[in-house]
Amino acid sequence: DVKVTQSSRYLVKRTGEKVFLECVQDMDHENMFWYRQDPGLGLRLIYFSYDVKMKEKGDIPEGYSVSREKKERFSLILESASTNQTSMYLCASSSPGRNQPQHFGDGTRLSIL
Amino acid sequence: SQELEQSPQSLIVQEGKNLTINCTSSKTLYGLYWYKQKYGEGLIFLMMLQKGGEEKSHEKITAKLDEKKQQSSLHITASQPSHAGIYLCGADSSGTYKYIFGTGTRLKVLA
Repeated sequence: DVKVTQSSRYLVKRTGEKVFLECVQDMDHENMFWYRQDPGLGLRLIYFSYDVKMKEKGDIPEGYSVSREKKERFSLILESASTNQTSMYLCASSSPGRNQPQHFGDGTRLSIL
Repeated sequence: SQELEQSPQSLIVQEGKNLTINCTSSKTLYGLYWYKQKYGEGLIFLMMLQKGGEEKSHEKITAKLDEKKQQSSLHITASQPSHAGIYLCGADSSGTYKYIFGTGTRLKVLA
């Protein structure tokens, strides 16, 4: 069965902190994605990666960076957390090419105080 | 750019009733995905449609992609409280790695 695991379900951090969100998949997928989900705005792509050490900016990359040192792991980094980054963060993975469904983790609800 | 519009935005039905959710694309769809999200959780993949006229079922949920491949419908038969949640459609965005997602339909089923 497919499995995408996000390291935390809930996280509370302070403004200015460096925050790491971890995502691991066990499906040997090449593609991995980070989204944030906000009421009224839907799902927005932050970054994605199509191979180890490869990354591309999504629609809202400002204030975020990513790391993919191993195929199974994709990390999202908030360099200096701000209150407007309070959100639900979702990680997903998929095989390459078209007609490949993305499989999602359970999400991390991040609050920045 | 391609957009997906879902209707209705929200739906409240009595247990046992049938319901339909629609997803309309501004461009031809090459792959259409349906997901369910329980409140505060991740998205669960339900099914994928590729061909015009294709229909797939999973338990009491049936999804169809119309012949012109610009609209999909998701139909739930004899709804149950366990069907409650947010249903989202997603699609391959033309020419990119990216997905696009619909705005979601929030379903509540009253027992």
